[in-house]
Parts: sequence; structure tokens; C-alpha cells
Amino acid sequence: AQKVTQAQTEISVVEKEDVTLDCVYETRDTTYYLFWYKQPPSGELVFLIRRNSFDEQNEISGRYSWNFQKSTSSFNFTITASQVVDSAVYFCALTQGGSEKLVFGKGTKLTVNP
Amino acid sequence: ETGVTQTPRHLVMGMTNKKSLKCEQHLGHNAMYWYKQSAKKPLELMFVYNFKEQTENNSVPSRFSPECPNSSHLFLHLHTLQPEDSALYLCASSPTLDREGERYGYTFGSGTRLTVV
Repeated sequence: AQKVTQAQTEISVVEKEDVTLDCVYETRDTTYYLFWYKQPPSGELVFLIRRNSFDEQNEISGRYSWNFQKSTSSFNFTITASQVVDSAVYFCALTQGGSEKLVFGKGTKLTVNP
Repeated sequence: ETGVTQTPRHLVMGMTNKKSLKCEQHLGHNAMYWYKQSAKKPLELMFVYNFKEQTENNSVPSRFSPECPNSSHLFLHLHTLQPEDSALYLCASSPTLDREGERYGYTFGSGTRLTVV
């Protein structure tokens, strides 16, 4: 069975702080895909990143970076120098190769205060 | 504007009403999905359509009836709902359901906030 755990329900930081959102996943498949989505108050889920299980290279996109570690089944997301506009609920998700089922974690609500 | 448009944004309906949610995408995607987001629960996949054919029904009660007339439009027909069906219903699309290849990121709509009274 597949499972995604986001242990942090809510995080509150002050603007310009760095913050890391944790994601731990469980799967028996060797081929799988990991995602991060952002859900601002408006409701839509905004795609941030997709990573396949064969690519453990960490990725940086502006202030966002992702640390994929298969040894610990983790796919953590770091926001550097956070901004108020980063306030949202962030979801980590997993799908196995060949499946259309995207399994989501419960999400982490990030509040960035000015 | 995300590329996936859902209407209405908000809907309040009685338990005996019949209503429909609409989802539209002009991204050229071939797969469309309905997800349910309830308070304090993970996002739940409800239905998947690939090239207008339903490929997944995740044990959804029959009071939810999906319809996909073409690859650009997806409906969710609602009848005799229960208060526990109140949730945010999200539609999503993706370029393909390629079972052999890489999975693409999904594009989500803004959702319909449904309240059943």
C-alpha cells in the first residue's frame, strides 16, 4: 500500500526565515513519482515539482529546494527566505509507475508572518 | 486562471436536490479527474477518465455520477447527497495516462465548495 505522511500539520514562521516541510512516503514499488503541490487560499492546487524514483538529484528552483532521499523515504521541501505570499497549504503526493492514482499527504499549513 | 475551470465556485444544496459540477480544460489534456477534499482528510481520488472513458471509480457512492462527453469537459452529477458530502471538489487534468512512461504533473482547478444542508 502507498502512503504519504506529512507530520507537520501547521508551521508558522516570520518572513525571511527558512522553513522545511517534511514528507515521508511508503511504497513497495521501485518505480514511483513524488510531487509537491501548493494550495493557496483561493483553492486550486498549484504544481511545484515532480520527481521520479530513479532521480535522486536534489533540485533548486529560486527560493525552493527539494531533498529526495530514498534511504529514508523522504522528499522534503525547503523554502529559503520565506515571504508572506508563501502562506498556503502544501501537499506532498505519490503515485506508482503505471498508476493514475495520486496519493496525497494530509498537507502542511504554512503561515508566513510579516 | 489555472487552465482548468470549475463552475460553480460555491454551491449550497439540499439533500433532495439534483445539481451538477462542471469542469473544463483547453490544455489538450487527455485525462481528467475528480478529487474530494474534506476537512482534516487527505485528498481523495474519486474518478478518472482517459480519452472520455472511465478508468477508475474509487468506490464512490452512486449518488455521485460522473460524465465525460469529451476530453475537454467533465461533469459530476449530484443527487440525494448527505451532509457528510460537504467538501471541496477538485477537478484535475493531465496530458496522458501513459502507463509505461513518466507521470506528468496534474493541473488542478480552483474547486467547487459544496455544502449540503
